[in-house]
Amino acid sequence: SAVISQKPSRDICQRGTSLTIQCQVDSQVTMMFWYRQQPGQSLTLIATANQGSEATYESGFVIDKFPISRPNLTFSTLTVSNMSPEDSSIYLCSVENQETQYFGPGTRLLVL
Amino acid sequence: DAKTTQPPSMDCAEGRAANLPCNHSTISGNEYVYWYRQIHSQGPQYIIHGLKNNETNEMASLIITEDRKSSTLILPHATLRDTAVYYCIAHAGGTSYGKLTFGQGTILTVHP
Repeated sequence: SAVISQKPSRDICQRGTSLTIQCQVDSQVTMMFWYRQQPGQSLTLIATANQGSEATYESGFVIDKFPISRPNLTFSTLTVSNMSPEDSSIYLCSVENQETQYFGPGTRLLVL
Repeated sequence: DAKTTQPPSMDCAEGRAANLPCNHSTISGNEYVYWYRQIHSQGPQYIIHGLKNNETNEMASLIITEDRKSSTLILPHATLRDTAVYYCIAHAGGTSYGKLTFGQGTILTVHP
């Protein structure tokens, strides 16, 4: 398994600002994933982050809005840029370890 | 990921077995059946997965039909803390296959 932590656990932000979410895993992993869960909805993948290469974004998500860093094999950040109330969601990172994906506790974001 | 179909909601009495069905009639030969659960806005928790054979761990049992077109997750003695959304996902395991596709899942309510 993998133990994943995220910071912050929750935040309330003003529209037009940006928030960077950190994801730390207790072991080295090749692939890390960032998901979004909008209120009352299921999880949607934002992007896949491999160490040493550019993140791969899913349809509907762009790098200017959700820049991602992956400086090493245990850490990644997701920034939500120029936020609007529609960005209010839970943001989750996950890692794949031995054919299973494990999820962090999530970051609950409210944009006013 | 192959499409999966789950009932939107189920009820179970505390102490009884909870049997959650999942249909995955178009599953590919290299796709595993994964089960996750999400307890009120926390990160999804991995429960169990299997390819062909039935599987059991400390949390649950997974029964996969011989033709692999459906499966059942069994929580043998449900408790109130098992109230959650349960997701069944057909996914080829390993780092080459990336994202998990989450459907709407089954809301399991365990009542006293």
